[in-house]
Amino acid sequence: AQSVTQLGSHVSVSEGALVLLRCNYSSSVPPYLFWYVQYPNQGLQLLLKYTTGATLVKGINGFEAEFKKSETSFHLTKPSAHMSDAAEYFCAVSDPSYGKLTFGQGTILTVHP
Amino acid sequence: SQTIHQWPATLVQPVGSPLSLECTVEGTSNPNLYWYRQAAGRGLQLLFYSVGIGQISSEVPQNLSASRPQDRQFILSSKKLLLSDSGFYLCAWSVRLDVEQFFGPGTRLTVL
Repeated sequence: AQSVTQLGSHVSVSEGALVLLRCNYSSSVPPYLFWYVQYPNQGLQLLLKYTTGATLVKGINGFEAEFKKSETSFHLTKPSAHMSDAAEYFCAVSDPSYGKLTFGQGTILTVHP
Repeated sequence: SQTIHQWPATLVQPVGSPLSLECTVEGTSNPNLYWYRQAAGRGLQLLFYSVGIGQISSEVPQNLSASRPQDRQFILSSKKLLLSDSGFYLCAWSVRLDVEQFFGPGTRLTVL
């Protein structure tokens, strides 16, 4: 069975500071991994995904994530936070044996001026 | 390009009343379709998914049902709403079960 854990339900950073949102997964086979962002009262928007190939993937809005198999992690980073990054972020995992995506519980990112 | 629509955007309903939420996808054929619910502080809960017309898989036994009368139409229903049905309902689609899903704008349901 697959699962995903997001460490920290709330993360607070200052504008211009590094953003680091943590995601660890478990999967019986090499997984596909995703990060989504959700702004208040909106649907989820895909930020980036890892399927195969390069382990460092770049997404929209300056975000990137690195797949580390040895650590079973897929942390999301952005070098410099902007006020507009304030939102809830979801990590998700899938593997071919199970099929559907499994979502983490989400991390709310707050950006202070 | 593909787009996904949900309506209504917001809904306030009394306890015991029926419910019908609709989701449609444009620009793709035979999508996989999903219904999720977000209740306050409870993350994203998969309710139903469908891989084809008339085929519905239920993930959580509850007061709700889903139907897929057409290839790109997915409907979430209830005969009698409960207070616990309040939440933000999201529809999503994908080309396969194991790849990224694309979400609609959501419906905010408040049951009073």
